Amino acid sequence: AQSVAQPEDQVNVAEGNPLTVKCTYSVSGNPYLFWYVQYPNRGLQFLLKYITGDNLVKGSYGFEAEFNKSQTSFHLKKPSALVSDSALYFCAVRPGDNYGQNFVFGPGTRLSVLP
Amino acid sequence: DSGVTQTPKHLITATGQRVTLRCSPRSGDLSVYWYQQSLDQGLQFLIQYYNGEERAKGNILERFSAQQFPDLHSELNLSSLELGDSALYFCASSASDRGDEQYFGPGTRLTVT
Repeated sequence: AQSVAQPEDQVNVAEGNPLTVKCTYSVSGNPYLFWYVQYPNRGLQFLLKYITGDNLVKGSYGFEAEFNKSQTSFHLKKPSALVSDSALYFCAVRPGDNYGQNFVFGPGTRLSVLP
Repeated sequence: DSGVTQTPKHLITATGQRVTLRCSPRSGDLSVYWYQQSLDQGLQFLIQYYNGEERAKGNILERFSAQQFPDLHSELNLSSLELGDSALYFCASSASDRGDEQYFGPGTRLTVT
């Protein structure tokens, strides 16, 4: 069965500094990987995805993520954090070879960007 | 605005009751997904429908059922409600059943008293 780990419950970073939110996964076959963000009292919003191709994917709001197959990781990054980036971030995975399998979301990482 | 609508926004009901949550996907999307978000269990995938047919099943209880209608809207039925069913229920939609990103609705907050 597939699983997603986000090892940090909380990440604090100063505005203007680079940020990283970590994600590791376990899935049989090729993974489809996603990052979503959730603002208070809102639904999740799609940020970016990796399906195939270039290991570095760029997404919304200046975020990017790097797929690392050997480390089974898909860390979310941004070169310069904004206070408005403060939110709950979810990593998700589903097997790319079996569309009957579940989407699995990680537990979420709360990002706080301090002014 | 994601284009996914969910009704109602809030629902308060008693244990043992049955409720129906409704979701309208984005225009043109064929897949609908249901999720349960609670403080202790995080975001749990419940079920996916694609063009009217069940496509994937997650941690959905037998007391819960869902369907997708010909106009592609979906309903999640929760019966014999328990206190532990109190949660935020999200619907999401995507264009296909493959690797597309999902667009989430604003959610229905269910409180079981």
